[in-house]
Amino acid sequence: SQTIHQWPATLVQPVGSPLSLECTVEGTSNPNLYWYRQAAGRGLQLLFYSVGIGQISSEVPQNLSASRPQDRQFILSSKKLLLSDSGFYLCAWSVRAGELFFGEGSRLTVL
Amino acid sequence: AQSVTQPDIHITVSEGASLELRCNYSYGATPYLFWYVQSPGQGLQLLLKYFSGDTLVQGIKGFEAEFKRSQSSFNLRKPSVHWSDAAEYFCAVGENYGGSQGNLIFGKGTKLSVKP
Repeated sequence: SQTIHQWPATLVQPVGSPLSLECTVEGTSNPNLYWYRQAAGRGLQLLFYSVGIGQISSEVPQNLSASRPQDRQFILSSKKLLLSDSGFYLCAWSVRAGELFFGEGSRLTVL
Repeated sequence: AQSVTQPDIHITVSEGASLELRCNYSYGATPYLFWYVQSPGQGLQLLLKYFSGDTLVQGIKGFEAEFKRSQSSFNLRKPSVHWSDAAEYFCAVGENYGGSQGNLIFGKGTKLSVKP
């Protein structure tokens, strides 16, 4: 069966420090991969999605970037974190239109 | 542009009572519709989905939802709520699958509390 792993689960970082959140999927090939951010009372915001290795689409301009170095690996990064980057980050995958499967999330606090 | 509205931010029901969570969408074509549930500090789990066909769809954990095109709604229902149903519920609509496949637009969520 397919599984999705996301880490770290919790992260506290100072303003201006770098960020790397990693997500891997097992049990499937060539999935679509997504990064969402969830802020309190604002629902889920799609940040990036990828339909293949090295193919990244950004939905909103921001201080973050994403990379897909392998078929089932998706990384969210920042060179310098801002306070506004705090939030709950969710990785997700799909192989069919629309049905997303989510990881357990990463709670980022920027101080 | 596509949008999803969940009018109720927070709902409290008694255990054993029936539940209906509202969802309205704005979409130019026949939408793909989903309900997800999220427990605190966790990821989202798919409850049910509507792609086409029967407008009443059954999901996991005893939930169902009905697609009403005339009302642009996809309300989630459960006949008898259990304490373990306390969570946040998100409605989502699917975007254009010819291009950005799988991109969903989410509502802001409805938090469900269950009284003993």
